[in-house]
Amino acid sequence: AQKITQTQPGMFVQEKEAVTLDCTYDTSDQSYGLFWYKQPSSGEMIFLIYQGSYDEQNATEGRYSLNFQKARKSANLVISASQLGDSAMYFCAMRGSRGGGFKTIFGAGTRLFVKA
Amino acid sequence: DAMVIQNPRYQVTQFGKPVTLSCSQTLNHNVMYWYQQKSSQAPKLLFHYYDKDFNNEADTPDNFQSRRPNTSFCFLDIRSPGLGDAAMYLCATSRGTGTYQETQYFGPGTRLLVL
Repeated sequence: AQKITQTQPGMFVQEKEAVTLDCTYDTSDQSYGLFWYKQPSSGEMIFLIYQGSYDEQNATEGRYSLNFQKARKSANLVISASQLGDSAMYFCAMRGSRGGGFKTIFGAGTRLFVKA
Repeated sequence: DAMVIQNPRYQVTQFGKPVTLSCSQTLNHNVMYWYQQKSSQAPKLLFHYYDKDFNNEADTPDNFQSRRPNTSFCFLDIRSPGLGDAAMYLCATSRGTGTYQETQYFGPGTRLLVL
């Protein structure tokens, strides 16, 4: 069975510092995609970054980078130079095969608090 | 800007009174999804449409139905809302479903309150 685990229910970070949000996954698929979404209190899920299972380089998008360690089955999100607006819920997701098709599953999320 | 739009942002309904939530997209994506998200939980997929093909999740209650009259619009109908159906309902789209690389793009959600 496929599973996403986010072990940090909540995290605090000082403004302007970097923070790492943990994500581990379990799958027997060779081909899969890993995603991170941000959900502010307003509710919208905002796509941040994608990493494919065959990608050798870690994905980066602005202040976001994905620390992909395939052997450990981890896909941690690193946010550099945290801003107050980064305070939100963050979901790690994986897209893998299911029943002849593909399905996206989400972790339980990590709530990030950025302190001024 | 291309986007996913959900109306209304907040919906209050009465126990047992049918309610419809709407979603539209300007991305011209083939796939539209409906998720239910309860407080502090991960989104749970209810169903999705690939074009006009409806795909229901096995554990989605019969109380939840959906319609997609055209590419741009998709509706979520809750026939007899119960107190347990109070949640955020998220609409999402993607170009397709056939690869692991498909990114889903979400709307702002509709918060449903059942009185």
